[in-house]
Amino acid sequence: TQLLEQSPQFLSIQEGENLTVYCNSSSVFSSLQWYRQEPGEGPVLLVTVVTGGEVKKLKRLTFQFGDARKDSSLHITAAQPGDTGLYLCAGESGAGSYQLTFGKGTKLSVIP
Amino acid sequence: EAGVAQSPRYKIIEKRQSVAFWCNPISGHATLYWYQQILGQGPKLLIQFQNNGVVDDSQLPKDRFSAERLKGVDSTLKIQPAKLEDSAVYLCASSLGWRGGVYTQYFGPGTRLTVL
Repeated sequence: TQLLEQSPQFLSIQEGENLTVYCNSSSVFSSLQWYRQEPGEGPVLLVTVVTGGEVKKLKRLTFQFGDARKDSSLHITAAQPGDTGLYLCAGESGAGSYQLTFGKGTKLSVIP
Repeated sequence: EAGVAQSPRYKIIEKRQSVAFWCNPISGHATLYWYQQILGQGPKLLIQFQNNGVVDDSQLPKDRFSAERLKGVDSTLKIQPAKLEDSAVYLCASSLGWRGGVYTQYFGPGTRLTVL
């Protein structure tokens, strides 16, 4: 069974601060995705990383896939209250399964 | 493009009662998923359909949960009888699979079930 461990589980920061969220596994994934989920809504895809060592930027968000494709990180620069939400990482094992294994998520609160 | 639709959005039932959830995926998406998300956890896959066939239902508690996707479009998930531990958000997602090197699942807003 493939597991994804996310840390920290909870994070409360002031507006303007930087933060990093981690997603780790002992398994190799063919791709890894980051989602954000707001209360009462389903997860919304932020980014997909596929290549080991890949770095993708989405405005103030920077996503990195580990060289061995077992871990990933999400860095937010100058956090804003609109960044508040549950951040989920999800791995796709490949082999045409089209299935995702989700981590438990990091609940981020950005205080104005 | 319309998103994944789910209904109802909220449901409160007593334990041992039955409940059903409905999902309408994005038009043309062959793959449909049902997930269970317990408070404080990530979504857990219950069942995956490809068109109207089941691809994987290994994590579906088949003694009480059932799902169908007639005609390969809409899907229903049923719980009978419900237990207290079934309280969760039930998410439906659909996907076209890999397109241009990207694999995306699109999620509906979910149904929040409370079992008393």
